Amino acid sequence: QKEVEQNSGPLSVPEGAIASLNCTYSDRGSQSFFWYRQYSGKSPELIMSIYSNGDKEDGRFTAQLNKASQYVSLLIRDSQPSDSATYLCAVMSLTGTYKYIFGTGTRLKVLA
Amino acid sequence: GAVVSQHPSWVICKSGTSVKIECRSLDFQATTMFWYRQFPKQSLMLMATSNEGSKATYEQGVEKDKFLINHASLTLSTLTVTSAHPEDSSFYICSARHIRANSYEQYFGPGTRLTVT
Repeated sequence: QKEVEQNSGPLSVPEGAIASLNCTYSDRGSQSFFWYRQYSGKSPELIMSIYSNGDKEDGRFTAQLNKASQYVSLLIRDSQPSDSATYLCAVMSLTGTYKYIFGTGTRLKVLA
Repeated sequence: GAVVSQHPSWVICKSGTSVKIECRSLDFQATTMFWYRQFPKQSLMLMATSNEGSKATYEQGVEKDKFLINHASLTLSTLTVTSAHPEDSSFYICSARHIRANSYEQYFGPGTRLTVT
């Protein structure tokens, strides 16, 4: 069974701090990785995709991928109360179906 | 760019009736669309994958005769919940993958909240 695991949280960080969210996956054939943010009662919103080992930065967000260790992480710098949400990690293997396997999400609380 | 809409945003129906949910990619063409269901405080559950012009591929445990999916064009997919029952009450969300080669991001619609009474 291919799995994607995330700590459910809640992860509480003070405003202005760095929030670090982690995700591990079991399928070594996975090639594409995505982070989504989901506010309560809303649908997921794409934050970032990452395909290669290393870091990828976009504004306050940095995704980090380590395929050898099978983990992907998301750093949120200068966290704001508006960042409080559930963060979903999604993994896709190149099987031709383009399906994602989602983790259960980490709930982030940014304290003002 | 990459906007996906869903209609209706919420619907209440009586047990035994059918409900159709539309998913549209507004500013891009999508060869593949996905339908998910999400129960409160749970993660997304993929129900089916639909490709334009072909039959949908359903995940294990999802009844294809109950959840009818049609992907008639590169911008429209529909999900019909037939003979709905209270246990079908859920948040249904579609997503679309851009037709661009080597594009793997899925863009999600705003979701449809279905309540069956």
